[in-house]
Amino acid sequence: DTAVSQTPKYLVTQMGNDKSIKCEQNLGHDTMYWYKQDSKKFLKIMFSYNNKELIINETVPNRFSPKSPDKAHLNLHINSLELGDSAVYFCASSRGLAGLEQYFGPGTRLTVT
Amino acid sequence: QKEVEQNSGPLSVPEGAIASLNCTYSDRGSQSFFWYRQYSGKSPELIMFIYSNGDKEDGRFTAQLNKASQYVSLLIRDSQPSDSATYLCAVNNNYGQNFVFGPGTRLSVLP
Repeated sequence: DTAVSQTPKYLVTQMGNDKSIKCEQNLGHDTMYWYKQDSKKFLKIMFSYNNKELIINETVPNRFSPKSPDKAHLNLHINSLELGDSAVYFCASSRGLAGLEQYFGPGTRLTVT
Repeated sequence: QKEVEQNSGPLSVPEGAIASLNCTYSDRGSQSFFWYRQYSGKSPELIMFIYSNGDKEDGRFTAQLNKASQYVSLLIRDSQPSDSATYLCAVNNNYGQNFVFGPGTRLSVLP
């Protein structure tokens, strides 16, 4: 029944490791997003995909690579994790390109030690 | 530089009062405006969106937009302790390519 789901909910890992976060939406939306919310609670868009095509790629290190196997899934792979990557990562989805009514997943709290 | 600014708060209001949350934005190309509520440890949830100048009401919530002043606000009438949360303002153009959240205002409704 969950509209936007993410796994895992918590992720604790060491510097230098590679990890992935998965996102799935069952709303039939065309557009999916990844956001990063840092310790100061500032929510910043990282990527946006529309029908599996990258639309937005903000200033994000190329250690972050999104992958969209189909329009219901948008995964985030992070290479060579750094301490500064510690944050909560939210996946979201919406209809179309205009970002209307974005529905957010529950978030993945990533802690890099 | 596209920016969305909000007073970080905390904004404290007594139960039953009107809470007024403000947001300003710098990109005159912004056309869609959103208010999200985020409880501690939870994900943002959409409360309202507004596209045209003026007021839009939904229950206890009223969004107000003034594009000339680049200002959008959210009024919460009859505030309840359950309204205590961080309120995020977000703006974008209709191509969805410039979707920017403000830093959020923490609201505390005191019983």
